[in-house]
Amino acid sequence: DSGVTQTPKHLITATGQRVTLRCSPRSGDLSVYWYQQSLDQGLQFLIQYYNGEERAKGNILERFSAQQFPDLHSELNLSSLELGDSALYFCASSPRGPQNTGELFFGEGSRLTVL
Amino acid sequence: KNQVEQSPQSLIILEGKNCTLQCNYTVSPFSNLRWYKQDTGRGPVSLTIMTFSENTKSNGRYTATLDADTKQSSLHITASQLSDSASYICVGGDSSYKLIFGSGTRLLVRP
Repeated sequence: DSGVTQTPKHLITATGQRVTLRCSPRSGDLSVYWYQQSLDQGLQFLIQYYNGEERAKGNILERFSAQQFPDLHSELNLSSLELGDSALYFCASSPRGPQNTGELFFGEGSRLTVL
Repeated sequence: KNQVEQSPQSLIILEGKNCTLQCNYTVSPFSNLRWYKQDTGRGPVSLTIMTFSENTKSNGRYTATLDADTKQSSLHITASQLSDSASYICVGGDSSYKLIFGSGTRLLVRP
């Protein structure tokens, strides 16, 4: 158990809908990262937050947004869903700050299926 | 363009045998090289993290090597077990702390 909690574990929805994925980092970790893993693909970095502020952006679509709250949990919002958005979405947390990426601890992921 | 390439794409070995997975990286400026193990449908778990000054690091039956001159890394698994069946992901970190993930090597250990 990495200590990173993601909900929901599974989500099935229809095209055009909007979903919210939630992540609680390990106790004390200030950095949260979001990754997307499509079937048989590598992990694609989406976005990083540190202590409530956005610190780095990767290949995140405009239809996607995220935020980190004062209690350090983070949410990833996916809207106007398309079939190609079906994937595993992972959250990871790190005890290090944005200028020093230490070890990443991954959650178990949220599997999104868009029908 | 920063990228990480892994080989082979997949590998089948018999329980008890050793194997070596390869990783070639083009990450500049280079900072660190990581290996993760990912069980099917689960989150990746860190095996090793090496900076450019380290050339080998072990974690139990897993030994990673790093050659910063040739930009190659390998992960050697000794005396494989059925539980080693997983994807192994090589990750290059640059000095701006971005991580570049490889597509992984899928290992299947058969009894």
